[in-house]
Amino acid sequence: RKEVEQDPGPFNVPEGATVAFNCTYSNSASQSFFWYRQDCRKEPKLLMSVYSSGNEDGRFTAQLNRASQYISLLIRDSKLSDSATYLCVVNLISNFGNEKLTFGTGTRLTIIP
Amino acid sequence: DGGITQSPKYLFRKEGQNVTLSCEQNLNHDAMYWYRQDPGQGLRLIYYSQIVNDFQKGDIAEGYSVSREKKESFPLTVTSAQKNPTAFYLCASSLDFYNEQFFGPGTRLTVL
Repeated sequence: RKEVEQDPGPFNVPEGATVAFNCTYSNSASQSFFWYRQDCRKEPKLLMSVYSSGNEDGRFTAQLNRASQYISLLIRDSKLSDSATYLCVVNLISNFGNEKLTFGTGTRLTIIP
Repeated sequence: DGGITQSPKYLFRKEGQNVTLSCEQNLNHDAMYWYRQDPGQGLRLIYYSQIVNDFQKGDIAEGYSVSREKKESFPLTVTSAQKNPTAFYLCASSLDFYNEQFFGPGTRLTVL
């Protein structure tokens, strides 16, 4: 099992639709979770942190499910500008107790007019 | 303006030459990172530094070297020992090792 796993997509979604991505992680002790957005040939940019109680920022909602070890990102009323690759990031703890943020390979989203 | 800068944006080198990529941040962050991204692939960690004068190997450190002599700077040298150096290189920094990372604009290295 990969440490951080995402469905690579692509997800092709009509404008205005709601789309959701999941990301599973392997280490139950993980404490920090983030979603990043990366546009083509650009650097990743922080979209939102994911808190235990879930959090919302405009059209974006992030949820954490510790029991099943996944985080989710929901985008409502999708816009053309939402087309990007969405990266899931989790802090993973090695057998030696070292922590590091680990990036998933990303889910590619294309919003269709 | 606070942020992370990387230079140059595009870099071309001949096979067998060492090349150094620049990364500077004025965010007063302790931790800095170097990643490599290949087309259609995720980010792979090359080296990271949690504090000045200290750095650790990431998942793919072979053929790379770094230094952290100043808090603001974390240059990456791609040596001739790196077998497939053509890639998009991203530098990032964070307040500490557990917080969100902020990325520079990246350097696209092409080895001819």
